Amino acid sequence: GDSVTQMEGPVTLSEEAFLTINCTYTATGYPSLFWYVQYPGEGLQLLLKATKADDKGSNKGFEATYRKETTSFHLEKGSVQVSDSAVYFCALTRDRDDKIIFGKGTRLHILP
Amino acid sequence: DGGITQSPKYLFRKEGQNVTLSCEQNLNHDAMYWYRQDPGQGLRLIYYSQIVNDFQKGDIAEGYSVSREKKESFPLTVTSAQKNPTAFYLCASSSRSYEQYFGPGTRLTVT
Repeated sequence: GDSVTQMEGPVTLSEEAFLTINCTYTATGYPSLFWYVQYPGEGLQLLLKATKADDKGSNKGFEATYRKETTSFHLEKGSVQVSDSAVYFCALTRDRDDKIIFGKGTRLHILP
Repeated sequence: DGGITQSPKYLFRKEGQNVTLSCEQNLNHDAMYWYRQDPGQGLRLIYYSQIVNDFQKGDIAEGYSVSREKKESFPLTVTSAQKNPTAFYLCASSSRSYEQYFGPGTRLTVT
């Protein structure tokens, strides 16, 4: 079945460091891909999305490119801030009637 | 302000009691979902509903029940049959844009 695999955390970086969180997926057809973020004690918020191959999603300095050839959707940010500390979830869905499949999440700690 | 509300934020119950978690949305979304999140784990789907008066089991439906009598409401009941009910419960809704919008969650503790 469809699945999402993302790098295990926690990931600890210093402020202003470059961030990459790897995400790969297995799916038939052409899924839409998402990154969600969860701040402590809260629900998930959509961070960015891409709906077709080679699309780049971006928001708040974060970017991810839909790579069909490598079935990947890695999250990147050029200069992280302490406020970026959260859990990040990679996810996919095939169409509006299908379920969203989430990865297990990657906890990110940013040190001042 | 459009969004999803879950109440209460914290809930405490004794073992053997049923408890109902509330989820309301004013986004006019057709689909609604319940997830369970345990420490260090991802989200696991309990139930989902794509239309009023219809719902489907997710991956871990045993010990839970839902209803969808109104478009804006999708309450989840955690029954005494759920062997390990202590968890963080998240409700979500979605429209045709595929992305899901989440509520703030309810942390249930059963002792």
